[in-house]
Amino acid sequence: DVKVTQSSRYLVKRTGEKVFLECVQDMDHENMFWYRQDPGLGLRLIYFSYDVKMKEKGDIPEGYSVSREKKERFSLILESASTNQTSMYLCASSRRELSYNEQFFGPGTRLTVL
Amino acid sequence: GNSVTQMEGPVTLSEEAFLTINCTYTATGYPSLFWYVQYPGEGLQLLLKATKADDKGSNKGFEATYRKETTSFHLEKGSVQVSDSAVYFCALRGNTGGFKTIFGAGTRLFVKA
Repeated sequence: DVKVTQSSRYLVKRTGEKVFLECVQDMDHENMFWYRQDPGLGLRLIYFSYDVKMKEKGDIPEGYSVSREKKERFSLILESASTNQTSMYLCASSRRELSYNEQFFGPGTRLTVL
Repeated sequence: GNSVTQMEGPVTLSEEAFLTINCTYTATGYPSLFWYVQYPGEGLQLLLKATKADDKGSNKGFEATYRKETTSFHLEKGSVQVSDSAVYFCALRGNTGGFKTIFGAGTRLFVKA
C-alpha cells in the first residue's frame, strides 16, 4: 500500500521557534509538495521539489524554506514561527511529468503557533 | 493562468439524495481533471480523474464527465450515504508549465441519516 507519512499529526510551538515538518514517501516519486490548508482558502502551494536537492517556490513561500537531501524525504522549515502560520500542513508526492499523474497525500500536521 | 472554481458549501443532504457539486475551470491546452476527497482528520485522497475531453471518471458511485465545451467537471452521485460526509476538492493539472496542481477551495458535504 502506497504511503506518505508526516512526522506529527499535531504540533504546538511558540512564536519565534524554528519548526521542522518532515514528510516521507515510499513510492519512489520524483515530485514532492508542501501545502497549507486554511478554511475557505483550499490548498495553497508553499514549495515543491522535482528532484533531490531541487526546489521551487510555490504561491506562498514567504516565511518557509525546504530541504530535500534524499528522494524519499521532503522537509518544511519555519525559520521563526509566527501566529499567522497556524494552519494544517499537507505533504504530497507524485510521479514526474505526465499531467494525469495524481498526487498522494499524507494525513497532515495541524500546527498551532502560540 | 489556470484556475478552478467550485461551488461553495456547505452542502447538506439527507441520505439517499442526489448529489451535484459544480466545478468549472480555466486552462490552456488539455489539462487533466481530478476530484479529491478529504474525510475528517485525514489528508486528501484521489476520488476520480479524467484525462481528456468526454472522459468519464467514476469511483464508489461518484461520477464526473470532462466537458471541454463548458469547461466543467461536475461531481455527481445518485444516492449519498452518511459515510460520504467529507470535503471534496476539484483540481486541475495542466500539460504545460510544470508540475503544479491547482485546487479549488473545497466543498464540505454533510449527509444526514
